[in-house]
Amino acid sequence: DVKVTQSSRYLVKRTGEKVFLECVQDMDHENMFWYRQDPGLGLRLIYFSYDVKMKEKGDIPEGYSVSREKKERFSLILESASTNQTSMYLCASCVRSSYNEQFFGPGTRLTVL
Amino acid sequence: AQSVTQLGSHVSVSEGALVLLRCNYSSSVPPYLFWYVQYPNQGLQLLLKYTSAATLVKGINGFEAEFKKSETSFHLTKPSAHMSDAAEYFCAVNHSGGYQKVTFGIGTKLQVIP
Repeated sequence: DVKVTQSSRYLVKRTGEKVFLECVQDMDHENMFWYRQDPGLGLRLIYFSYDVKMKEKGDIPEGYSVSREKKERFSLILESASTNQTSMYLCASCVRSSYNEQFFGPGTRLTVL
Repeated sequence: AQSVTQLGSHVSVSEGALVLLRCNYSSSVPPYLFWYVQYPNQGLQLLLKYTSAATLVKGINGFEAEFKKSETSFHLTKPSAHMSDAAEYFCAVNHSGGYQKVTFGIGTKLQVIP
């Protein structure tokens, strides 16, 4: 079974803190993704990576950065957390093919106070 | 640009009734289409996918979807709703180009009434 794990299920941070969200997949997938999920807006792509050290901006990259030093690990970084970054964050991975599905982690619910 | 539109952010059905969740897509090239389900406090999991092999696609848990090019639709159906079907459902379209970037719809929350 493909497994995508995220470092925390729930996280509470203060405005201005630097926040790291970690994602690990165990299926040797080339592609990894970070989304945020908000009610009424569905899933919006923040960043994705198609190889180690490679990254591409998604639809809403402002305020975020990412790191992919190893194939299995993709980190999302909030340099200075703000209250409007309170959200559910979902990590996903997949093989490099147009028709293969993405496998999702359980999500991290981040609250920024 | 490719996109999907899900009609109805909330749908309620009675247990045993037909489930119909609507999805229309916009794509300049033949699309790959997906339906995902998200149960409370979980990530998304794949229900089914269309990859041009067959227009009627069967998925898990008794769900199926039919690709209709003339209507640019990919509606999700299940003949008889079960309480365990209560979840949020997302339609998604794949962008061509090899990086597997996907655009998701806003989701439809399905409520099943006993």
